[in-house]
Amino acid sequence: IAGITQAPTSQILAAGRRMTLRCTQDMRHNAMYWYRQDLGLGLRLIHYSNTAGTTGKGEVPDGYSVSRANTDDFPLTLASAVPSQTSVYFCASSGGLAGNEQFFGPGTRLTVL
Amino acid sequence: GQNIDQPTEMTATEGAIVQINCTYQTSGFNGLFWYQQHAGEAPTFLSYNVLDGLEEKGRFSSFLSRSKGYSYLLLKELQMKDSASYLCAVMDSNYQLIWGAGTKLIIKP
Repeated sequence: IAGITQAPTSQILAAGRRMTLRCTQDMRHNAMYWYRQDLGLGLRLIHYSNTAGTTGKGEVPDGYSVSRANTDDFPLTLASAVPSQTSVYFCASSGGLAGNEQFFGPGTRLTVL
Repeated sequence: GQNIDQPTEMTATEGAIVQINCTYQTSGFNGLFWYQQHAGEAPTFLSYNVLDGLEEKGRFSSFLSRSKGYSYLLLKELQMKDSASYLCAVMDSNYQLIWGAGTKLIIKP
């Protein structure tokens, strides 16, 4: 693994189904983030984790949950998908908080029907 | 509230210079970032400013004025591969990034 990976690349999901988006980084970064990107809007933070074992809510957390059991993995779960969760989801990581750039995974394109 | 404003779209000619502006109002300031995002791809880091002034990195430069809540990204000697969206993001007092909607830059031959 080089950098940050996400799976799946894309997914079509029926409304009401549960879905977990996976994110793994091998840079030993402490901080990790989940964003969604919708046309015409900036990236919006869903959840974040400043270090393994801790998580926090971002701007749009409703309908999503995360866990951070170890440094490398930061899965995002949609408990019961709704069409408004159709979006492109990006996972990112950074080595610290102040002044550190965020590195992004390739994204997951999710369509909820 | 927190707000980042940047133009939706700009057009420029190959070989020319273009300036993309960003104004912001945020709760606290811990630096401003510029990212490039090609269509269908992830954002990639371009520059970081935390002090006033100009930061130059090859063909790209970024300027910050904290008192005015203003930044710009300057791209010189434009190439077709520079066609992309350019995202402005401010790190607020909680060390979270607040993102603008992005400026789509179209380069014409």
